[in-house]
Amino acid sequence: TQLLEQSPQFLSIQEGENLTVYCNSSSVFSSLQWYRQEPGEGPVLLVTVVTGGEVKKLKRLTFQFGDARKDSSLHITAAQPGDTGLYLCAGEEGAGSYQLTFGKGTKLSVIP
Amino acid sequence: EPEVTQTPSHQVTQMGQEVILRCVPISNHLYFYWYRQILGQKVEFLVSFYNNEISEKSEIFDDQFSVERPDGSNFTLKIRSTKLEDSAMYFCASSVTSSGGSYEQYFGPGTRLTVT
Repeated sequence: TQLLEQSPQFLSIQEGENLTVYCNSSSVFSSLQWYRQEPGEGPVLLVTVVTGGEVKKLKRLTFQFGDARKDSSLHITAAQPGDTGLYLCAGEEGAGSYQLTFGKGTKLSVIP
Repeated sequence: EPEVTQTPSHQVTQMGQEVILRCVPISNHLYFYWYRQILGQKVEFLVSFYNNEISEKSEIFDDQFSVERPDGSNFTLKIRSTKLEDSAMYFCASSVTSSGGSYEQYFGPGTRLTVT
């Protein structure tokens, strides 16, 4: 069973600060997807990373996939209160398996 | 923008009853999934469905569960003889191969199932 560990579990920062959250595994994934989930709602896809070492930017969010495709990070620059939410990473094993294995998430609070 | 829809948003049922959760995947998607999330826990995979048959299922997806695509648009999850521990948010997702070769999954808003 593949596991994804996300850290930190909780993060509270002031508006304007930078932050990085991590998603780590001992297993290799063919791709990794980052989602954001609001309470009582479904996960909303932010980005998919596929290639080891890949970096993708989405406005102030920068996503990186590790060279070995076992880990990923999400960096937010100049955080805003609208960034508050639960950030989930989910890995796809590949090789004919398309199910996603989710981490427990990082709950981010950005204080105005 | 196309989205996955789910009905009902909240279902309350008594223990032992059967429930059917409904999903309308994004129209050009080929792969369909059900996940669940027990309150305070992580999202867990239940089953994937492609070409009118189950392609993968988890240990959670036992004989109590079944899925069906009864027509060209709906995708359903049936839970027979519900138990208290079936109470959770159930998410439907759909995907189609992206140009990058990964199966980006788009999730619906969920159905909150409460078993009393």
